[in-house]
Amino acid sequence: EPEVTQTPSHQVTQMGQEVILRCVPISNHLYFYWYRQILGQKVEFLVSFYNNEISEKSEIFDDQFSVERPDGSNFTLKIRSTKLEDSAMYFCASSGGVWGSSYEQYFGPGTRLTVT
Amino acid sequence: RKEVEQDPGPFNVPEGATVAFNCTYSNSASQSFFWYRQDCRKEPKLLMSVYSSGNEDGRFTAQLNRASQYISLLIRDSKLSDSATYLCVVNTPGGSGYALNFGKGTSLLVTP
Repeated sequence: EPEVTQTPSHQVTQMGQEVILRCVPISNHLYFYWYRQILGQKVEFLVSFYNNEISEKSEIFDDQFSVERPDGSNFTLKIRSTKLEDSAMYFCASSGGVWGSSYEQYFGPGTRLTVT
Repeated sequence: RKEVEQDPGPFNVPEGATVAFNCTYSNSASQSFFWYRQDCRKEPKLLMSVYSSGNEDGRFTAQLNRASQYISLLIRDSKLSDSATYLCVVNTPGGSGYALNFGKGTSLLVTP
């Protein structure tokens, strides 16, 4: 069964450093997303991406964040100058293949980001 | 961003019991509704989409009441493996329409 994959599974970084979180969405999906979940809190939407551009972003997704699809398979989230409050689990998701619903999103296993 | 409200639980039930979870959402323009399950420190996994006519998948039945902005999930003959947090999820209208708005989840523990 196709699945979303994410690397690394855990990233530790110092405050002020830049991190890049990587995702490989399900191969025939067209819509890509990043969400985050701070420990003990609900899952929060960050950004959606379609046709090589951002289609929607939340108020959390400020200038510190950027996304990119550098090739035909990877989808990345870059966080510039990380802050302590960026510590969270970051989930990539994808949806909208030829056979599937555009609205049913499938999540990767997440990258746990710890900012020290 | 409007909210999705769920009873946090925990719900502790014996194996074989029937358990029901409820959820309300505040944005009447929402069009897509889902139940996800999330195991501790894992990703949300899509359990089922929820359709206006109601839908069933094995032991799981989901209902949607658009007038009351209310969604439910019924689990029959619960198994130990059903222990997880159940997330009520609604799309956020406007923008792309694809952003998902998650509830905080209802915790279920099924005991032997």
